[in-house]
Amino acid sequence: AQSVTQLGSHVSVSEGALVLLRCNYSSSVPPYLFWYVQYPNQGLQLLLKYTSAATLVKGINGFEAEFKKSETSFHLTKPSAHMSDAAEYFCAVSDQGYSTLTFGKGTMLLVSP
Amino acid sequence: DAGITQSPRYKITETGRQVTLMCHQTWSHSYMFWYRQDLGHGLRLIYYSAAADITDKGEVPDGYVVSRSKTENFPLTLESATRSQTSVYFCASRNREWTGELFFGEGSRLTVL
Repeated sequence: AQSVTQLGSHVSVSEGALVLLRCNYSSSVPPYLFWYVQYPNQGLQLLLKYTSAATLVKGINGFEAEFKKSETSFHLTKPSAHMSDAAEYFCAVSDQGYSTLTFGKGTMLLVSP
Repeated sequence: DAGITQSPRYKITETGRQVTLMCHQTWSHSYMFWYRQDLGHGLRLIYYSAAADITDKGEVPDGYVVSRSKTENFPLTLESATRSQTSVYFCASRNREWTGELFFGEGSRLTVL
């Protein structure tokens, strides 16, 4: 069975500060990994994905994530937070042949002026 | 416009009543999914469907029924609603070719009194 663990249900940063949202995965086979973002009262939308190509993946809105097999991690980063980044972020995992995604519990990103 | 729509967006019902949440997509995606989102649990898969007339259980299927008579529709029925089914329900879809991206509806907020 696959799973992801997101460390920290809430992360607070100041505008302009580094954003780091942590995700560790568990999978018996090489995984596909994803980050989704959810803005208030909306559905989730894909931010970026790792599907066994480059280990450093760039997504929308300046976010990126690095796949580290040795650490079983896929942390999400952004060099400089904007107020508009305030949202809930979900890490998700799927193996290469499976039909569905398994989501983490989410991390709420709070950005203060 | 093309997309995935859910109805109703908000529903209040009483314990023991039957409730059906509708999901309609215009992309002709093969796969459709129902997730529920609860504080502290993230998103959990209820049921999914790989094509018309093909459905399968997810992580939390008890108390729910689905059908897929047409590719574009994937209704979720709570045959006898319970308070523990108070949640936000998200429908999602994707292409048969696995690119990693799920397309989500805006959610249906259900309250069971």
